[in-house]
Amino acid sequence: GEDVEQSLFLSVREGDSSVINCTYTDSSSTYLYWYKQEPGAGLQLLTYIFSNMDMKQDQRLTVLLNKKDKHLSLRIADTQTGDSAIYFCAETLLMDTGRRALTFGSGTRLQVQP
Amino acid sequence: DTEVTQTPKHLVMGMTNKKSLKCEQHMGHRAMYWYKQKAKKPPELMFVYSYEKLSINESVPSRFSPECPNSSLLNLHLHALQPEDSALYLCASSQETGVYGYTFGSGTRLTVV
Repeated sequence: GEDVEQSLFLSVREGDSSVINCTYTDSSSTYLYWYKQEPGAGLQLLTYIFSNMDMKQDQRLTVLLNKKDKHLSLRIADTQTGDSAIYFCAETLLMDTGRRALTFGSGTRLQVQP
Repeated sequence: DTEVTQTPKHLVMGMTNKKSLKCEQHMGHRAMYWYKQKAKKPPELMFVYSYEKLSINESVPSRFSPECPNSSLLNLHLHALQPEDSALYLCASSQETGVYGYTFGSGTRLTVV
């Protein structure tokens, strides 16, 4: 997680929009990902964006990519209490073996208040 | 079938025990992964198997021994663990390049006493 940084905590009210930010360091990452982890559970892939795109929208989720600043964000519209979870951005980093593997940011805990 | 199944869901073991974690997928994925996640931390990569061959070992201690008997199964054999090895162990799979993301199992919560 040391190469991918996220703010630790975000609190919003139900119905508001949430914006979770991420800064990554590997400019050669071809795809960038957002995962959601609910308490005691595994990770669920929410969406991903190809590096030649600036934006991707999928229902309530909007991903923005600023490749120049290596900044990725996830906007959740009309946030619901069921969206309360930890959100990880991730990229595939080049490992010593020459193979890429998924590496996660530190995670942002989203708390949605009724 | 679009799931990765991990068993057991919870495991408590002593420091002298030998146990195994199991992972299974039937999505035809040819890459499988083990991650370790400590509380309030992101998952950290341990091992990567590609076409049933170990392709990445992230300097994991030898008390963790992975095994990939076939393209659908991935095991993690545990022996002489320490209390600091207590964590959530996550298995994942992907198409070979992994560009469309990994599918994760729900994990095994391991406690070493």
